[in-house]
Amino acid sequence: QPVLIQPSSHSASSGASVRLTCMLSGGPSVGDFWIRWYQQKPGNPPRYLLYYHSDSNKGLGSGVPSRFSGSKDESANAGVLRISGLQPEDEADYYCGSWHSNSKTWLFGGGTKLTVL
Amino acid sequence: EVQLVESGGGLVQPGGSLRLSCAASGFTFGTYEMNWVRQAPGKGLEWLAYITGSGTIYYTNSVKGRFTISRDNARNSLFLQMNNLRVEDTAIYYCARDESFDYWGQGTLVTVSS
Repeated sequence: QPVLIQPSSHSASSGASVRLTCMLSGGPSVGDFWIRWYQQKPGNPPRYLLYYHSDSNKGLGSGVPSRFSGSKDESANAGVLRISGLQPEDEADYYCGSWHSNSKTWLFGGGTKLTVL
Repeated sequence: EVQLVESGGGLVQPGGSLRLSCAASGFTFGTYEMNWVRQAPGKGLEWLAYITGSGTIYYTNSVKGRFTISRDNARNSLFLQMNNLRVEDTAIYYCARDESFDYWGQGTLVTVSS
């Protein structure tokens, strides 16, 4: 069964752009997966941000600002969440997730704690 | 407005059972897949189970045979029956809508301890 691997932490300055990665390990190509991203602040449930499969098949969650976007890095076999114009309120844990159809299981990455400096 | 409200959590001894509920409103419940996800203290998200509107069900391996997901579309409710609970099942349990997990409840805390 594949695994989604995320860096445990990342920091960036307010106003900067960040790329958070979600590497798919264990065999399959990330090109076949719909990668979804979630934001979680302390004491709150996760919030759905967006999904990305391809440039022609992607979408933002309801009310999510366009500063958030998704992409893939095929060379790294990874999904990518990009946040531009980083704001203090973006400080949170970010999780990626995807359905693995072969095993009929949903995969979550371990999460990245984003600190806004 | 979509709302999901979990209930049924609490303190239970190892080997005990609990039944969690998730009350849904603001959407046509029966037409959506639903999920249960948990988060142990200070840890990440763990998907547990999924059920379609017509009753197709999938589980993660760690809960197969112990947990049972079900739904009552007439009552707009989702359930998770948890048996033979272990200390490591201690977590906040969330219900989440759809294959995209686009809406989440606030969660209910389950503590398994003697």
